[in-house]
Amino acid sequence: GQNIDQPTEMTATEGAIVQINCTYQTSGFNGLFWYQQHAGEAPTFLSYNVLDGLEEKGRFSSFLSRSKGYSYLLLKELQMKDSASYLCAATDSNYQLIWGAGTKLIIKP
Amino acid sequence: DVKVTQSSRYLVKRTGEKVFLECVQDMDHENMFWYRQDPGLGLRLIYFSYDVKMKEKGDIPEGYSVSREKKERFSLILESASTNQTSMYLCASSSGQGHNEKLFFGSGTQLSVL
Repeated sequence: GQNIDQPTEMTATEGAIVQINCTYQTSGFNGLFWYQQHAGEAPTFLSYNVLDGLEEKGRFSSFLSRSKGYSYLLLKELQMKDSASYLCAATDSNYQLIWGAGTKLIIKP
Repeated sequence: DVKVTQSSRYLVKRTGEKVFLECVQDMDHENMFWYRQDPGLGLRLIYFSYDVKMKEKGDIPEGYSVSREKKERFSLILESASTNQTSMYLCASSSGQGHNEKLFFGSGTQLSVL
């Protein structure tokens, strides 16, 4: 079957760095997305990786290893507004999205 | 600012009622989707549409139907609501330019079926 695994909840301190991991098992693979969802709000696009390596975008970076079926989202210089759920989603051979359950990130002062 | 608008933020309905959830996007997107989001589960695709008057079943279409009469509007219909359809419903759209276009989501409709 197809599956996405990510931690349910993580806690980090304001100003610190946090890494949110995501492992996937899909029938074929055509890319991996990260979305951010604040409580009660719409998910918003953060990043998309299709090739191995690190993609940096300001304080947020996303990494992909296709051979390991693994991705992570790296958040630097954490701010209170980064408290949110982070959703990992992989596209399979038919370009259908398979979603993880999301990681709730709690930032403490 | 691009927008996907869902008509209701909260909805309370009774078992057996017919329920309409409306979604409108202003980005001229070809693709529109309906998901449900439940605690502890990933987003699950109910139906999607790649063009006007076109619809495709997603992973969990049972108990639902959809309508896309105009490009900007995609409606989700619960023919006879049941308590197990209590959930957050998210509408999304994307352009049809490529296979891996990012999704733009609405803020969701929290539906409670009593």
